[in-house]
Amino acid sequence: DVKVTQSSRYLVKRTGEKVFLECVQDMDHENMFWYRQDPGLGLRLIYFSYDVKMKEKGDIPEGYSVSREKKERFSLILESASTNQTSMYLCATWRGNSPLHFGNGTRLTVT
Amino acid sequence: AQRVTQPEKLLSVFKGAPVELKCNYSYSGSPELFWYVQYSRQRLQLLLRHISRESIKGFTADLNKGETSFHLKKPFAQEEDSAMYYCALWAEYGNKLVFGAGTILRVKS
Repeated sequence: DVKVTQSSRYLVKRTGEKVFLECVQDMDHENMFWYRQDPGLGLRLIYFSYDVKMKEKGDIPEGYSVSREKKERFSLILESASTNQTSMYLCATWRGNSPLHFGNGTRLTVT
Repeated sequence: AQRVTQPEKLLSVFKGAPVELKCNYSYSGSPELFWYVQYSRQRLQLLLRHISRESIKGFTADLNKGETSFHLKKPFAQEEDSAMYYCALWAEYGNKLVFGAGTILRVKS
Protein backbone atom coordinates (compact mmCIF):
# COMPACT_ATOMS: atom_id res chain seq x y z
CA ASP A 1 0.00 0.00 0.00
CA VAL A 2 1.34 3.40 -0.98
CA LYS A 3 2.30 5.59 1.92
CA VAL A 4 2.45 9.36 1.46
CA THR A 5 3.59 11.17 4.57
CA GLN A 6 3.34 14.88 5.17
CA SER A 7 5.59 15.86 8.03
CA SER A 8 3.23 18.27 9.80
CA ARG A 9 -0.50 17.97 10.35
CA TYR A 10 -0.87 21.54 11.63
CA LEU A 11 1.43 24.52 11.21
CA VAL A 12 1.12 28.11 12.37
CA LYS A 13 3.47 30.69 10.89
CA ARG A 14 3.79 34.46 10.85
CA THR A 15 3.48 36.67 7.80
CA GLY A 16 6.82 36.96 6.03
CA GLU A 17 8.26 33.71 7.37
CA LYS A 18 9.79 31.15 5.05
CA VAL A 19 7.80 27.93 5.29
CA PHE A 20 8.73 24.41 4.23
CA LEU A 21 6.12 21.71 3.75
CA GLU A 22 7.58 18.25 3.36
CA CYS A 23 6.16 15.21 1.63
CA VAL A 24 7.72 11.76 1.51
CA GLN A 25 6.50 8.68 -0.37
CA ASP A 26 7.67 5.10 -0.12
CA MET A 27 6.54 3.62 -3.43
CA ASP A 28 9.07 4.90 -5.93
CA HIS A 29 6.46 6.92 -7.84
CA GLU A 30 7.89 9.29 -10.44
CA ASN A 31 5.14 11.90 -10.23
CA MET A 32 4.43 14.03 -7.18
CA PHE A 33 1.98 16.90 -6.76
CA TRP A 34 1.16 19.72 -4.39
CA TYR A 35 -2.45 20.91 -4.18
CA ARG A 36 -4.17 23.37 -1.91
CA GLN A 37 -7.70 22.66 -0.77
CA ASP A 38 -10.06 25.55 -0.03
CA PRO A 39 -13.82 25.48 0.63
CA GLY A 40 -15.78 26.28 -2.50
CA LEU A 41 -12.68 26.13 -4.68
CA GLY A 42 -11.85 22.43 -4.47
CA LEU A 43 -8.30 21.31 -5.05
CA ARG A 44 -6.02 23.54 -7.07
CA LEU A 45 -2.68 22.38 -8.38
CA ILE A 46 0.30 24.44 -7.23
CA TYR A 47 3.28 22.53 -8.64
CA PHE A 48 4.12 19.06 -9.75
CA SER A 49 7.23 17.05 -10.51
CA TYR A 50 7.64 14.09 -12.84
CA ASP A 51 11.22 13.26 -11.91
CA VAL A 52 14.07 14.23 -9.63
CA LYS A 53 15.06 17.88 -10.12
CA MET A 54 12.18 18.35 -12.57
CA LYS A 55 9.26 20.62 -11.77
CA GLU A 56 6.30 22.12 -13.55
CA LYS A 57 4.01 24.97 -12.56
CA GLY A 58 0.43 24.09 -11.88
CA ASP A 59 -2.51 26.46 -11.97
CA ILE A 60 -1.58 28.66 -8.98
CA PRO A 61 2.22 28.69 -8.55
CA GLU A 62 2.56 32.33 -7.50
CA GLY A 63 4.14 32.72 -4.09
CA TYR A 64 5.36 29.11 -4.03
CA SER A 65 8.39 27.14 -5.13
CA VAL A 66 9.28 23.46 -4.90
CA SER A 67 12.28 21.20 -4.51
CA ARG A 68 12.75 17.59 -5.58
CA GLU A 69 16.31 16.54 -4.81
CA LYS A 70 15.42 12.89 -4.17
CA LYS A 71 12.73 10.78 -5.77
CA GLU A 72 10.90 10.11 -2.53
CA ARG A 73 10.74 13.70 -1.26
CA PHE A 74 8.89 16.70 -2.66
CA SER A 75 9.02 19.96 -0.72
CA LEU A 76 6.75 22.96 -1.07
CA ILE A 77 8.30 26.28 -0.11
CA LEU A 78 6.55 29.52 0.74
CA GLU A 79 9.31 32.09 0.39
CA SER A 80 7.46 34.75 2.35
CA ALA A 81 4.22 33.49 3.83
CA SER A 82 1.12 35.64 3.50
CA THR A 83 -2.31 35.35 5.11
CA ASN A 84 -3.92 34.35 1.80
CA GLN A 85 -1.79 31.23 1.87
CA THR A 86 -3.68 29.96 4.89
CA SER A 87 -5.07 26.68 3.59
CA MET A 88 -4.97 22.90 3.65
CA TYR A 89 -2.06 21.60 1.57
CA LEU A 90 -2.22 18.13 0.06
CA CYS A 91 0.64 16.14 -1.39
CA ALA A 92 -0.08 13.33 -3.85
CA THR A 93 1.88 10.78 -5.85
CA TRP A 94 1.10 8.94 -9.05
CA ARG A 95 2.54 6.39 -11.37
CA GLY A 96 1.29 5.08 -14.68
CA ASN A 97 -2.17 3.64 -14.52
CA SER A 98 -2.72 3.96 -10.79
CA PRO A 99 -4.87 6.59 -9.07
CA LEU A 100 -3.43 9.54 -7.19
CA HIS A 101 -2.45 8.69 -3.63
CA PHE A 102 -2.80 11.52 -1.15
CA GLY A 103 -1.15 12.37 2.12
CA ASN A 104 -3.14 13.39 5.21
CA GLY A 105 -2.63 17.06 4.51
CA THR A 106 -1.01 19.96 6.34
CA ARG A 107 -3.27 22.69 7.63
CA LEU A 108 -1.25 25.89 7.48
CA THR A 109 -2.34 29.05 9.24
CA VAL A 110 -0.49 32.28 8.51
CA THR A 111 -1.11 35.03 11.06
CA ALA B 1 -9.08 24.55 -21.24
CA GLN B 2 -10.14 21.67 -19.07
CA ARG B 3 -12.68 22.34 -16.34
CA VAL B 4 -14.78 20.33 -13.91
CA THR B 5 -18.02 21.74 -12.53
CA GLN B 6 -19.86 20.46 -9.49
CA PRO B 7 -22.89 22.72 -9.19
CA GLU B 8 -23.94 21.76 -5.66
CA LYS B 9 -21.84 22.77 -2.65
CA LEU B 10 -24.05 20.78 -0.30
CA LEU B 11 -26.46 17.94 -0.86
CA SER B 12 -28.57 16.83 2.07
CA VAL B 13 -30.68 13.66 1.85
CA PHE B 14 -32.40 11.26 4.22
CA LYS B 15 -31.08 7.79 4.86
CA GLY B 16 -32.48 5.38 2.30
CA ALA B 17 -33.13 8.09 -0.30
CA PRO B 18 -31.43 8.04 -3.72
CA VAL B 19 -28.38 10.21 -4.21
CA GLU B 20 -27.06 11.91 -7.31
CA LEU B 21 -23.97 14.10 -7.15
CA LYS B 22 -23.62 16.08 -10.34
CA CYS B 23 -20.42 16.57 -12.31
CA ASN B 24 -19.95 18.20 -15.70
CA TYR B 25 -16.68 18.59 -17.51
CA SER B 26 -15.13 20.54 -20.32
CA TYR B 27 -12.28 18.88 -22.20
CA SER B 28 -11.36 18.70 -25.87
CA GLY B 29 -9.63 15.33 -25.71
CA SER B 30 -10.78 11.89 -24.62
CA PRO B 31 -11.67 12.30 -20.95
CA GLU B 32 -10.65 10.09 -18.09
CA LEU B 33 -12.84 10.81 -15.06
CA PHE B 34 -12.71 9.97 -11.39
CA TRP B 35 -14.63 10.44 -8.19
CA TYR B 36 -12.61 11.01 -5.01
CA VAL B 37 -14.04 10.99 -1.50
CA GLN B 38 -12.85 12.48 1.78
CA TYR B 39 -14.46 11.22 4.97
CA SER B 40 -14.16 13.26 8.13
CA ARG B 41 -10.54 13.36 9.38
CA GLN B 42 -9.36 10.98 6.66
CA ARG B 43 -7.23 11.47 3.60
CA LEU B 44 -8.66 11.99 0.14
CA GLN B 45 -9.05 8.65 -1.61
CA LEU B 46 -10.23 7.30 -4.92
CA LEU B 47 -13.84 6.14 -4.97
CA LEU B 48 -14.14 5.08 -8.58
CA ARG B 49 -12.93 5.76 -12.11
CA HIS B 50 -14.99 5.57 -15.26
CA ILE B 51 -12.74 3.15 -17.12
CA SER B 52 -13.26 0.53 -14.39
CA ARG B 53 -17.05 0.60 -14.76
CA GLU B 54 -17.37 -0.86 -11.28
CA SER B 55 -19.60 -0.16 -8.31
CA ILE B 56 -17.85 0.85 -5.10
CA LYS B 57 -19.80 1.04 -1.82
CA GLY B 58 -22.98 0.98 -3.90
CA PHE B 59 -21.95 4.03 -5.94
CA THR B 60 -21.85 4.06 -9.74
CA ALA B 61 -21.01 6.73 -12.28
CA ASP B 62 -21.55 6.67 -16.02
CA LEU B 63 -19.67 8.82 -18.45
CA ASN B 64 -22.08 10.60 -20.80
CA LYS B 65 -19.99 12.18 -23.55
CA GLY B 66 -23.01 13.78 -25.19
CA GLU B 67 -23.91 15.68 -22.03
CA THR B 68 -20.26 15.88 -20.87
CA SER B 69 -21.33 14.54 -17.49
CA PHE B 70 -20.12 12.00 -14.96
CA HIS B 71 -22.75 12.02 -12.23
CA LEU B 72 -22.28 9.86 -9.14
CA LYS B 73 -25.31 7.84 -8.07
CA LYS B 74 -26.40 5.57 -5.27
CA PRO B 75 -29.92 4.15 -4.98
CA PHE B 76 -30.11 4.15 -1.16
CA ALA B 77 -27.97 6.54 0.86
CA GLN B 78 -26.45 5.49 4.17
CA GLU B 79 -25.24 7.68 7.03
CA GLU B 80 -21.65 6.54 6.49
CA ASP B 81 -21.77 8.02 2.99
CA SER B 82 -21.60 11.50 4.52
CA ALA B 83 -18.38 13.02 3.19
CA MET B 84 -16.89 15.49 0.73
CA TYR B 85 -16.96 14.23 -2.86
CA TYR B 86 -14.75 15.55 -5.65
CA CYS B 87 -15.10 14.89 -9.34
CA ALA B 88 -11.81 14.98 -11.23
CA LEU B 89 -10.60 14.90 -14.82
CA TRP B 90 -7.24 13.61 -15.99
CA ALA B 91 -5.83 16.13 -18.44
CA GLU B 92 -3.27 14.52 -20.73
CA TYR B 93 -2.06 17.93 -21.77
CA GLY B 94 -0.23 19.06 -18.67
CA ASN B 95 -0.30 15.56 -17.22
CA LYS B 96 -2.41 16.52 -14.23
CA LEU B 97 -5.64 15.84 -12.41
CA VAL B 98 -8.12 18.72 -12.44
CA PHE B 99 -10.67 18.79 -9.61
CA GLY B 100 -14.10 20.27 -9.23
CA ALA B 101 -15.01 22.42 -6.24
CA GLY B 102 -16.46 19.48 -4.36
CA THR B 103 -19.90 18.59 -2.96
CA ILE B 104 -20.58 17.86 0.71
CA LEU B 105 -23.02 15.00 1.05
CA ARG B 106 -24.94 14.89 4.31
CA VAL B 107 -27.09 11.85 4.98
CA LYS B 108 -29.60 12.44 7.75
CA SER B 109 -31.18 9.70 9.83
